Amino acid sequence: SQQGEEDPQALSIQEGENATMNCSYKTSINNLQWYRQNSGRGLVHLILIRSNEREKHSGRLRVTLDTSKKSSSLLITASRAADTASYFCATDRRTSGSRLTFGEGTQLTVNP
Amino acid sequence: DAGITQSPRHKVTETGTPVTLRCHQTENHRYMYWYRQDPGHGLRLIHYSYGVKDTDKGEVSDGYSVSRSKTEDFLLTLESATSSQTSVYFCAITEWGALNYGYTFGSGTRLTVV
Repeated sequence: SQQGEEDPQALSIQEGENATMNCSYKTSINNLQWYRQNSGRGLVHLILIRSNEREKHSGRLRVTLDTSKKSSSLLITASRAADTASYFCATDRRTSGSRLTFGEGTQLTVNP
Repeated sequence: DAGITQSPRHKVTETGTPVTLRCHQTENHRYMYWYRQDPGHGLRLIHYSYGVKDTDKGEVSDGYSVSRSKTEDFLLTLESATSSQTSVYFCAITEWGALNYGYTFGSGTRLTVV
């Protein structure tokens, strides 16, 4: 089973609205990361949040982490058509070395 | 993506033939990874490397082998390709010791086994 599981699997919104995606995981982690993948392309790193952090911002992105609930959320504010992509959470359990485990992703569609 | 290239980008091969995919980086990163991406499974780790000649298995390593004789190159070999290995393969790199850095992914290799 996936260490990270995103919810919802698909999300369709209008331009200008906020998009929220959630990720749950099963075991303790060192950090949690979010990636974006445009159709037919590789994954692009968006943001990383450490296990001792609760919230992090980067531009229009806001990530929260609740280690007690083993969950994270990614908020994209004022969405644009260009935000249309698949979004993946990935967890890293290691304290030395690194091995990311990915969820199945959320497909976000932003309609103009 | 800048600093990491995968080759070939597309390949069609026959069942039973050997196939080698190449990942080349110019970032001098210590860590390199091979993932496969399939619908309904997200990305799954095949093999990874923490340095030259230092490789280990991921969660879906059966039927695959890897080699890393130079820092910049990480090769993934399908010894005898099967239809279940039809997938999109991604290579990724990250810095050593920088546990708080994200991965940089290549553009992927779409492999079809017929």
